[in-house]
Amino acid sequence: DAKTTQPTSMDCAEGRAANLPCNHSTISGNEYVYWYRQIHSQGPQYIIHGLKNNETNEMASLIITEDRKSSTLILPHATLRDTAVYYCIVRVVVSGNTPLVFGKGTRLSVIA
Amino acid sequence: DAGVTQSPTHLIKTRGQHVTLRCSPISGHKSVSWYQQVLGQGPQFIFQYYEKEERGRGNFPDRFSARQFPNYSSELNVNALLLGDSALYLCASRLDRANTEAFFGQGTRLTVV
Repeated sequence: DAKTTQPTSMDCAEGRAANLPCNHSTISGNEYVYWYRQIHSQGPQYIIHGLKNNETNEMASLIITEDRKSSTLILPHATLRDTAVYYCIVRVVVSGNTPLVFGKGTRLSVIA
Repeated sequence: DAGVTQSPTHLIKTRGQHVTLRCSPISGHKSVSWYQQVLGQGPQFIFQYYEKEERGRGNFPDRFSARQFPNYSSELNVNALLLGDSALYLCASRLDRANTEAFFGQGTRLTVV
């Protein structure tokens, strides 16, 4: 079972920041937070990951609370092409045998 | 560079038949994983292979099997197909077992009738 809780759906106006929350209250000290997204009819796409510090890349920013029990993925200027299902996943990286455990994710709709 | 390629993209099978799905990882990637995604759900882990050996298995029946070849490509086999096996089958490759980023293919849409 997924170890994360996400809202089922969210809307965001085009050009505005999209803030997608994720709850992972049972996260362990050696588990990372990953975000993937899946655009309709495509395979999931990696976005970003982090352990406890905030992270930023060309796609998004990841804000992890100090107690690591929740995080927020931020798409700073959402476009229509960001409409997708966003998955928040916790995973131990050290062990190569741990797969990605997907929940149902958040369906983000970016509206013009 | 080519991404992860899967074949076929779509196929239709009859209950009781078997099916073989194929995956070519990104060049240089040695780890391949298979996932099943039924409509409305997130992908579910089936197998992971690394250096031609099975390194992980999800909660799927023995009708599901896989293998990895010396060139690191992989096949997923499903025997005695059931209607419930209808799903999108995704292949993901990683550079190695612990590398953080998994790259997914477009998937194979299997319909069992």
